[in-house]
Amino acid sequence: GAVVSQHPSWVICKSGTSVKIECRSLDFQATTMFWYRQFPKQSLMLMATSNEGSKATYEQGVEKDKFLINHASLTLSTLTVTSAHPEDSSFYICSARALTSAVNEQFFGPGTRLTVL
Amino acid sequence: GENVEQHPSTLSVQEGDSAVIKCTYSDSASNYFPWYKQELGKGPQLIIDIRSNVGEKKDQRIAVTLNKTAKHFSLHITETQPEDSAVYFCAASQVGDNAGGTSYGKLTFGQGTILTVHP
Repeated sequence: GAVVSQHPSWVICKSGTSVKIECRSLDFQATTMFWYRQFPKQSLMLMATSNEGSKATYEQGVEKDKFLINHASLTLSTLTVTSAHPEDSSFYICSARALTSAVNEQFFGPGTRLTVL
Repeated sequence: GENVEQHPSTLSVQEGDSAVIKCTYSDSASNYFPWYKQELGKGPQLIIDIRSNVGEKKDQRIAVTLNKTAKHFSLHITETQPEDSAVYFCAASQVGDNAGGTSYGKLTFGQGTILTVHP
């Protein structure tokens, strides 16, 4: 149980276009989903916290108008990278916390590799 | 905010040896410390976690120790195998009834340790 999927697993796009990444909790309901960015050989950096039915909370330095997050249901959150540029190329990973989680166990998705040409 | 430091950045051991990775944290309010294993091109997988009300936790070949006073925690892997080779991340977070606000549940990760187990 506790499986999180991401789609697509990789995407290549042209500079200036927008890309949408989906994060789904497959067998549990998640009140909170987190979006991370990971550059090569670096750690995971939290971009934003997404709660179902409310606006996402962005970390300092993350542009909310560039990285649009929608958490429309308890099993789906989307991250849209708008007007992507080469510097946005990275590995984007989501995690989901179960509705019933008494601790903070987050289940991570497999990640989405974004390459902006 | 929380700051987590992880050492070493790389660790190379022979199969069967033990491996130890250490992390320190800055925020005394942190009370949940998970460890993740990340293989190339994949998302992190939780391998073990510990809450601040215990000092040690073990799961087969993996153990974690926590020193709240010194604000550091360590991952111990015994009898290492080649398939243990991966990047390992520690993290710190606040959970529970006393945690709240915008910091609740946020994981702060260490820099990662590349573990290589040689056959």
